[in-house]
Amino acid sequence: NAGVTQTPKFRILKIGQSMTLQCAQDMNHNYMYWYRQDPGMGLKLIYYSVGAGITDKGEVPNGYNVSRSTTEDFPLRLELAAPSQTSVYFCASSDGLEETQYFGPGTRLLVL
Amino acid sequence: DQQVKQNSPSLSVQEGRISILNCDYTNSMFDYFLWYKKYPAEGPTFLISISSIKDKNEDGRFTVFLNKSAKHLSLHIVPSQPGDSAVYFCAASASSGYSTLTFGKGTMLLVSP
Repeated sequence: NAGVTQTPKFRILKIGQSMTLQCAQDMNHNYMYWYRQDPGMGLKLIYYSVGAGITDKGEVPNGYNVSRSTTEDFPLRLELAAPSQTSVYFCASSDGLEETQYFGPGTRLLVL
Repeated sequence: DQQVKQNSPSLSVQEGRISILNCDYTNSMFDYFLWYKKYPAEGPTFLISISSIKDKNEDGRFTVFLNKSAKHLSLHIVPSQPGDSAVYFCAASASSGYSTLTFGKGTMLLVSP
């Protein structure tokens, strides 16, 4: 039981490049989330999903896209990377009932 | 506007003493509160939670107190251990609608031997 896994751990992007941050969970959770954490700040919700095929925007969705084709996977897409997207990205999942979210180890992204 | 506030960016405590981390919230719809602990280069891990129907919840060395009238909660760690040194995030959610969490900025706890 790996919990929530994220790849890559670290990535450097040039301005304007695109990439997909991968997230997978093996706990059969319906709810999945993407957060970003900037230095000295709390976690801010980017997108979330309440089940396969259902996604919704969080607090800071601009510049990102998501899809949820399976229960296990919830990739986050950056289409045109900007320096403001330099951050640490965390994926999380929950069963939606207990409100407890389980987090992955994070992806550190640097946009130059 | 921050709905969940952790006004102390850092806290230093000696080993064996009590650590008290505070959290205030402004949204009266919040009815479920959680504390997460985060070590460097790792994701946050769930520590303890409390529902608004309670005013206290204990789990070993960790106790969370909730004062609904003051919109304030606190996490007590007794006794504090060096391994408790981490960033602690307070989070809140409202039971209506989807279960998204609102996080505070975190408090870095340093427990010295």
